[in-house]
Amino acid sequence: NAGVMQNPRHLVRRRGQEARLRCSPMKGHSHVYWYRQLPEEGLKFMVYLQKENIIDESGMPKERFSAEFPKEGPSILRIQQVVRGDSAAYFCASSPPPAGANVLTFGAGSRLTVL
Amino acid sequence: KNEVEQSPQNLTAQEGEFITINCSYSVGISALHWLQQHPGGGIVSLFMLSSGKKKHGRLIATINIQEKHSSLHITASHPRDSAVYICAVSTGANSKLTFGKGITLSVRP
Repeated sequence: NAGVMQNPRHLVRRRGQEARLRCSPMKGHSHVYWYRQLPEEGLKFMVYLQKENIIDESGMPKERFSAEFPKEGPSILRIQQVVRGDSAAYFCASSPPPAGANVLTFGAGSRLTVL
Repeated sequence: KNEVEQSPQNLTAQEGEFITINCSYSVGISALHWLQQHPGGGIVSLFMLSSGKKKHGRLIATINIQEKHSSLHITASHPRDSAVYICAVSTGANSKLTFGKGITLSVRP
């Protein structure tokens, strides 16, 4: 039973390019959370998704960022027209149903570097 | 003022020492989480608490809901315990977390 799988582990993009980060939750987990860790800063919530639904996107920047969790396949965090300030570690975490305050299982993170 | 405060910011200990890391929060919570992050590494969930005390191996976590305070204790510390320890809270009926800044623990052999 693999844990939460994130890929790529490291991604380098030039300013203006697009970054796509993927997250496959643990088997049986239907809730996915994305968190961002900026250099020298703490973790911040970005978005909470269930299959085919965005439940809470209050932590997502208003522009350029989007997330989805389709019926089939991994959750994807998409950053369009990346800027240097997007350089960070992006962590995905999943939890099982039912909805509630559950223990999270984190992925190893995707480290984005924008040149 | 941050909703989740951790102290001390950095901590150095000698192998074998008993270590306490503190976390205070200022909001009503549904649960409090203790997480561990090794340098450049991923995040491991150590505990989730809503009341009382939990123990796992050499780690003990306690929470006082009335005082809005939690502690993480490490007994018989070891250099492999060196990591960043992060306190986080959830305030609703989900695991959307608000994080403290984390404490960097270094255990010297």
